Amino acid sequence: ETGVTQSPTHLIKTRGQQVTLRCSSQSGHNTVSWYQQALGQGPQFIFQYYREEENGRGNFPPRFSGLQFPNYSSELNVNALELDDSALYLCASSFGDSSTDTQYFGPGTRLTVL
Amino acid sequence: QKEVEQDPGPLSVPEGAIVSLNCTYSNSAFQYFMWYRQYSRKGPELLMYTYSSGNKEDGRFTAQVDKSSKYISLFIRDSQPSDSATYLCATGGFKTIFGAGTRLFVKA
Repeated sequence: ETGVTQSPTHLIKTRGQQVTLRCSSQSGHNTVSWYQQALGQGPQFIFQYYREEENGRGNFPPRFSGLQFPNYSSELNVNALELDDSALYLCASSFGDSSTDTQYFGPGTRLTVL
Repeated sequence: QKEVEQDPGPLSVPEGAIVSLNCTYSNSAFQYFMWYRQYSRKGPELLMYTYSSGNKEDGRFTAQVDKSSKYISLFIRDSQPSDSATYLCATGGFKTIFGAGTRLFVKA
């Protein structure tokens, strides 16, 4: 059984650019959640996908968007990057979309916006 | 007011000490409470969860929830240098809400 994997590990972009981050969920999991973790802060919920549909969203603007594919892998897209978007982006997969379903986190993608 | 408040520390203790980590939360509707451990350059991993009030023990770790005061605690007995990490409390309904995390250093 493979765990949650994310790519790339690190990424440097400039303000105004667009970025796509990728996540492969743990085998058998149908739900993926994305989080943003700024330095020294806890993860903040961006959105969740359950069986390829967006299933809820946190307080993030529309320039944060996502996709979930039939194999339950997922992408996070961020348009018009801002300096404050610099953070660790975490993907978590679970079997089920409830907060009581154990989420398994990937190692994250460290995004730096210059 | 943040929905989950957690002292970011850092907290430094000698090996073998008992560690107490704490959080408060604001929404009395929350029923499910979690503690995650996050090592440097890694994603969080679930340590323990509790449902409603009470205690739950797992080896050297004890999680405690007091819903009357909206207080969540994690106790680590016989702390080890390998316990050095950031500990995140979390709760929530549909979405998981994390505290800021407490950085713990256990000195050998």
